[in-house]
Amino acid sequence: KQEVTQIPAALSVPEGENLVLNCSFTDSAIYNLQWFRQDPGKGLTSLLLIQSSQREQTSGRLNASLDKSSGRSTLYIAASQPGDSATYLCAVAHTGNQFYFGTGTSLTVIP
Amino acid sequence: GAVVSQHPSWVICKSGTSVKIECRSLDFQATTMFWYRQFPKQSLMLMATSNEGSKATYEQGVEKDKFLINHASLTLSTLTVTSAHPEDSSFYICSVGELYEQYFGPGTRLTVT
Repeated sequence: KQEVTQIPAALSVPEGENLVLNCSFTDSAIYNLQWFRQDPGKGLTSLLLIQSSQREQTSGRLNASLDKSSGRSTLYIAASQPGDSATYLCAVAHTGNQFYFGTGTSLTVIP
Repeated sequence: GAVVSQHPSWVICKSGTSVKIECRSLDFQATTMFWYRQFPKQSLMLMATSNEGSKATYEQGVEKDKFLINHASLTLSTLTVTSAHPEDSSFYICSVGELYEQYFGPGTRLTVT
C-alpha cells in the first residue's frame, strides 16, 4: 500500500525567507502528485498538480518538482509571507482515482 | 475545475443520534465521489468511494453499517453517521474526480457530545 510522508511535520520561518517542503512516497507507480493547502478548520485548496510525466510545475511564488523514480516531490515557496501560514498536504493519485495523502507540514511564517 | 459543496459546514449532535452530510457537485456529473475523514492534526484518510447507482466501496477498517453512503444522482452523495459516538467527531470531506484530479468540498465539522 502506498505510504506518503512529509518532512518536516512543522516549520516556522521569518517572513521573506525561501523554504522547501518535502514529500516522499513508497510506490512510484503514480498518475500524478498534487500539493494542497489547508487552513485551520477548512477544506483543501489545490496549489499545484504535477503529472507523472512532468518534472515540475510553477504558480507564482510556488514551484513543485517531482522525481517519480526516487519517490520524491518538493514544494518551494519563495519570499514567504504571513498569509502562507497553513498546513500543506501532498497527495498521490493511483488507479481508480484513489488519492493517498501525506501527513502534512504545518507552516508558520512569522511577521 | 469542479465546484463541490457540503452541507452542513458544521454540526453538533448528541451521542446515539444519526447525522446526514450532503456532498453536491455543482457543475460536474460525478459518477464517483469520495469521502475522507480527518482527525485533529492528522492527514486525510479515505473512508469510502461512492458510486452512482450502486453500493459504495469501503476502505479497510471503516464500518459500512455505521457510515451509510447513498449516491442517488450524479450530483449528490450523502454520508450518514449512524448512532454517532464522540469518537466519530471529525472533519469529513468529500471530493469528485476527473481524470485523476480531484476537487474537494469545504468539509463538514462533526462534533458528537
